[in-house]
Amino acid sequence: QQPVQSPQAVILREGEDAVINCSSSKALYSVHWYRQKHGEAPVFLMILLKGGEQKGHDKISASFNEKKQQSSLYLTASQLSYSGTYFCGTENIPTSYGKLTFGQGTILTVHP
Amino acid sequence: DVKVTQSSRYLVKRTGEKVFLECVQDMDHENMFWYRQDPGLGLRLIYFSYDVKMKEKGDIPEGYSVSREKKERFSLILESASTNQTSMYLCASSPRTSGGPNTGELFFGEGSRLTVL
Repeated sequence: QQPVQSPQAVILREGEDAVINCSSSKALYSVHWYRQKHGEAPVFLMILLKGGEQKGHDKISASFNEKKQQSSLYLTASQLSYSGTYFCGTENIPTSYGKLTFGQGTILTVHP
Repeated sequence: DVKVTQSSRYLVKRTGEKVFLECVQDMDHENMFWYRQDPGLGLRLIYFSYDVKMKEKGDIPEGYSVSREKKERFSLILESASTNQTSMYLCASSPRTSGGPNTGELFFGEGSRLTVL
């Protein structure tokens, strides 16, 4: 079952902050975040693992609440380059091949 | 620079035609994936492969098959294309993590937009 992302879309002005949420109905082992700019391939931002380990982007932060089966992506002081569609991908159990189930995406638009 | 290359960016096919979508990666990755992307539905996994000649169904395999004869190449096949298979198809690869669960990122291709008339 796909995780649910909220909001579906958000519009910001440069410098404003945004939070994108990802919720699952099942227990999560890991949450991955990707950004896709229009016409381009999705690009990895970060991974959060059960137990607190994080790997990823310096300027974007995220949290992972294992009990609530939720993750949030924090975009602070947004820049025009942050515009795109953000996807969370989840794994319920650890595997060696990383089979992800993605949410429906959140469209972020940053205006000057 | 790491690369996942999808052979066709845009294809137009007729209902009932057999369609091949090709994907090649140059990173020596063990894992390869085919996703379908539709507005409002996000990315949905069709099939994946964790080794040559090995394949596993994803969440929406109906109407699709795959082939992985070489490590670097993963093909998606639509045996008889239908209009509801009009979509953007994304290929991705990732390295196998040895000695523990996968914490590797997916590397995506730019996608193949298929229109079935």
